[in-house]
Amino acid sequence: GAVVSQHPSWVICKSGTSVKIECRSLDFQATTMFWYRQFPKQSLMLMATSNEGSKATYEQGVEKDKFLINHASLTLSTLTVTSAHPEDSSFYICSASLLGQGEKDQPQHFGDGTRLSIL
Amino acid sequence: QKEVEQNSGPLSVPEGAIASLNCTYSDRGSQSFFWYRQYSGKSPELIMFIYSNGDKEDGRFTAQLNKASQYVSLLIRDSQPSDSATYLCAVNGRNDYKLSFGAGTTVTVRA
Repeated sequence: GAVVSQHPSWVICKSGTSVKIECRSLDFQATTMFWYRQFPKQSLMLMATSNEGSKATYEQGVEKDKFLINHASLTLSTLTVTSAHPEDSSFYICSASLLGQGEKDQPQHFGDGTRLSIL
Repeated sequence: QKEVEQNSGPLSVPEGAIASLNCTYSDRGSQSFFWYRQYSGKSPELIMFIYSNGDKEDGRFTAQLNKASQYVSLLIRDSQPSDSATYLCAVNGRNDYKLSFGAGTTVTVRA
C-alpha cells in the first residue's frame, strides 16, 4: 500500500520552457502532498506543502510564481516549473501522506522523482 | 544549529556486521521520527518510523528513540551489500506535518 507515482522520470528541455510534473497517490487519498528538490550530494529541501483544494504553502526562498503547484484532487498534485533555466536543473521529488484523516503521524511516501535538466 | 544532524559518513562495514547510524534533533517537541533509505539516483524509501521512547524492531532493522536526549538511531544487523545506500533521518515538527531531514549517512557494506 501507500504507492506514490510521479511522472515524468526524466525531462530534458531548453531554457525558457515550462515543465509540468505530476504526483499521484495510487491506493490512498492524500489531502496533503509535499514537493522537494534535491541537488547532488545534498539532502532533500522542502519546497512547498500542497493541500487539496487550497493554495500551496511555500517555504522561504521558494518563488511561488516560478514553481506553480496545483492540488486539484485527493490523488493528484502537479508542480509546474515556469520558464525553466539551467539553475532549475535538479531532482524533484513529491511525497504524500494520509495526513488529515485521523492519522497525524503517518509517514510520507515518496514518488520516484523527476530528474530535470535544462539546457 | 541544524534541526537534524546525523553522524558524518561514509560508514563502511563488512558484510554480516552491524551498522549503527545516529541522529540528533533540536526541537524537543518533535513527535515523529523516520528513517529513509536512498539509493544513488533514486528517491527515498521508508525503512522505519518510531513515535515512542525505546526500541522498535522490523526484521534486520532496529530504531531506537530517546526523547530526553533528543536522539534517534538505526541499527542494521547482518548487513548486506544491498544495504549500501544513504540513510536519511527525518523528524516531524511540533505543530506541523513537515519533515526536517538530516544530511544523510552513506553506508557501504563490503562483501
